[in-house]
Amino acid sequence: DVKVTQSSRYLVKRTGEKVFLECVQDMDHENMFWYRQDPGLGLRLIYFSYDVKMKEKGDIPEGYSVSREKKERFSLILESASTNQTSMYLCASSWASGANNEQFFGPGTRLTVL
Amino acid sequence: AQSVAQPEDQVNVAEGNPLTVKCTYSVSGNPYLFWYVQYPNRGLQFLLKYITGDNLVKGSYGFEAEFNKSQTSFHLKKPSALVSDSALYFCAVRDMEPSNTGKLIFGQGTTLQVKP
Repeated sequence: DVKVTQSSRYLVKRTGEKVFLECVQDMDHENMFWYRQDPGLGLRLIYFSYDVKMKEKGDIPEGYSVSREKKERFSLILESASTNQTSMYLCASSWASGANNEQFFGPGTRLTVL
Repeated sequence: AQSVAQPEDQVNVAEGNPLTVKCTYSVSGNPYLFWYVQYPNRGLQFLLKYITGDNLVKGSYGFEAEFNKSQTSFHLKKPSALVSDSALYFCAVRDMEPSNTGKLIFGQGTTLQVKP
């Protein structure tokens, strides 16, 4: 089975802190994604990566950056956390293309910024 | 622009009754469609997908979905609901503009409440 793990289930940070969210997948997937999930807004794509060191902005990249130094690991960075970044963050991975490229999700990190 | 709509925020159904969770889409070209389920404080789990072929797709946990091209719909169904089916359900379509990058566009989600 595909396994996507995220470094923390729950995280509490202070405004202005630099925050790192880590995601690791074990299926050699090319694509990796970071979403945030807020009630009534569904899932919104922050960034995605289709290869090592490659990244593209999603729909809401402001205030975030990402890093993909190894194929299995995709990190989301909040440069200076703000209260409006309190949310559930979901990481996902998938094959690059073809019919079998449904996304597989990690358990999520619920981040609270005080 | 491509989009997915789930017109109902919540669906209530009695245990044992059939359930339907609605999804409509707008894409250029042939759609790749997906359903996911999310249990409380968990990530999303893949249920089923439509790529091509038979319009009735069967997935996990007894769920199925019917692709209807003329109505641009992909409704999720189950013949007999269980209390344990209560969860948040997301419909998604592959984002094909400008090309197939593997990105998905998600609907806003529908909460399914199955009552004993």
